[in-house]
Amino acid sequence: GAGVSQSPSNKVTEKGKDVELRCDPISGHTALYWYRQSLGQGLEFLIYFQGNSAPDKSGLPSDRFSAERTGGSVSTLTIQRTQQEDSAVYLCASSLAGFTEAFFGQGTRLTVV
Amino acid sequence: RKEVEQDPGPFNVPEGATVAFNCTYSNSASQSFFWYRQDCRKEPKLLMSVYSSGNEDGRFTAQLNRASQYISLLIRDSKLSDSATYLCVVKATRDSGAGSYQLTFGKGTKLSVIP
Repeated sequence: GAGVSQSPSNKVTEKGKDVELRCDPISGHTALYWYRQSLGQGLEFLIYFQGNSAPDKSGLPSDRFSAERTGGSVSTLTIQRTQQEDSAVYLCASSLAGFTEAFFGQGTRLTVV
Repeated sequence: RKEVEQDPGPFNVPEGATVAFNCTYSNSASQSFFWYRQDCRKEPKLLMSVYSSGNEDGRFTAQLNRASQYISLLIRDSKLSDSATYLCVVKATRDSGAGSYQLTFGKGTKLSVIP
């Protein structure tokens, strides 16, 4: 597609349920980033994928969070046993390799009730 | 020390004013630099890349001082539509080696342009 696509746009879930968030990067972009942004706060790094290399998971806040990237393209961020503090906008970005700019999807707004 | 620091603002300026945003970064391995704009409840969007020689795009001018690890953005003749949060972003290689990069965001500076 022309840009980074994320789905769903909005997700309301009950505390304790699992959720899956999807990111479809720009075609040909080998780097993919996940960030989280709570209301009125800055971007919090979660995880980074680069080609076939092992992902950098250093930003994942707990073992309830995991992500995978299949075939070097689509990525899924999974949050297990959701908590209210997981409520935030989850943003995905992709870029070409190297010191190039990244482009963001529109985000998934997650609300845990 | 935070990796990328920005004045959080808010900056409230009248239309037509000139406003400057400053940013400092701590990672000397940083190789590329950007300003992003984020509107309320929207995703960040690239405003401009920042080059060592300085660069200009219409009313926007970006400067980089590698020695001081300092980046700036100047907006001239502010418009109401410039109201947004401006994010300073740096990209560097990760400790894990070549071909792996980290993209670090400042917390942003909020700008409100007032009629």
